[in-house]
Amino acid sequence: EAGVAQSPRYKIIEKRQSVAFWCNPISGHATLYWYQQILGQGPKLLIQFQNNGVVDDSQLPKDRFSAERLKGVDSTLKIQPAKLEDSAVYLCASSLASGAGFNSPLHFGNGTRLTVT
Amino acid sequence: GENVEQHPSTLSVQEGDSAVIKCTYSDSASNYFPWYKQELGKRPQLIIDIRSNVGEKKDQRIAVTLNKTAKHFSLHITETQPEDSAVYFCAAVGGYNQGGKLIFGQGTELSVKP
Repeated sequence: EAGVAQSPRYKIIEKRQSVAFWCNPISGHATLYWYQQILGQGPKLLIQFQNNGVVDDSQLPKDRFSAERLKGVDSTLKIQPAKLEDSAVYLCASSLASGAGFNSPLHFGNGTRLTVT
Repeated sequence: GENVEQHPSTLSVQEGDSAVIKCTYSDSASNYFPWYKQELGKRPQLIIDIRSNVGEKKDQRIAVTLNKTAKHFSLHITETQPEDSAVYFCAAVGGYNQGGKLIFGQGTELSVKP
């Protein structure tokens, strides 16, 4: 099966600029996640979608980050304006389903490495 | 919410030796515990997982044990090989109130010396 697709692979921007990342999950996967992975740390969940609804966005810095999954398939994550501390790899993942009592493995994309200068 | 602690942060072993990585979690309702391997510059890849109704699971050289009472789980790699060198992450999925949110540990950098 085709994996989780992400683009771009790399992005370099200056602080205060905006940037957008795109993710196409594995076909049929209802749940989509955006994780932020700072160098040397574990992935941190930013937002979780179930189909086109938000399940959890408690750790998303909503003053500058936004995400959408309008048709329940592809998703975009935007940062506006970017700060130096946003430099990280942004990983998209998908799974068949999630929720209490039913969890399936997450499949990750290759990520977008963002450098903010 | 769920919190996952992972130890050690770095681990160096000789080829052929065993490696053990340990994780603790805080939410007693957590019910799913995957382990991911991440090679440098690559995406995390699932290597093994265990559900709360099982105490141990094995897949060739890799095994995971779960102690629900103590709220900890461990990854065991036997007969390590240089290609096992990578960063390993444990994770736990929160219980009913967490909506299936996967929380990762801080990672263990495993180095297998030939």
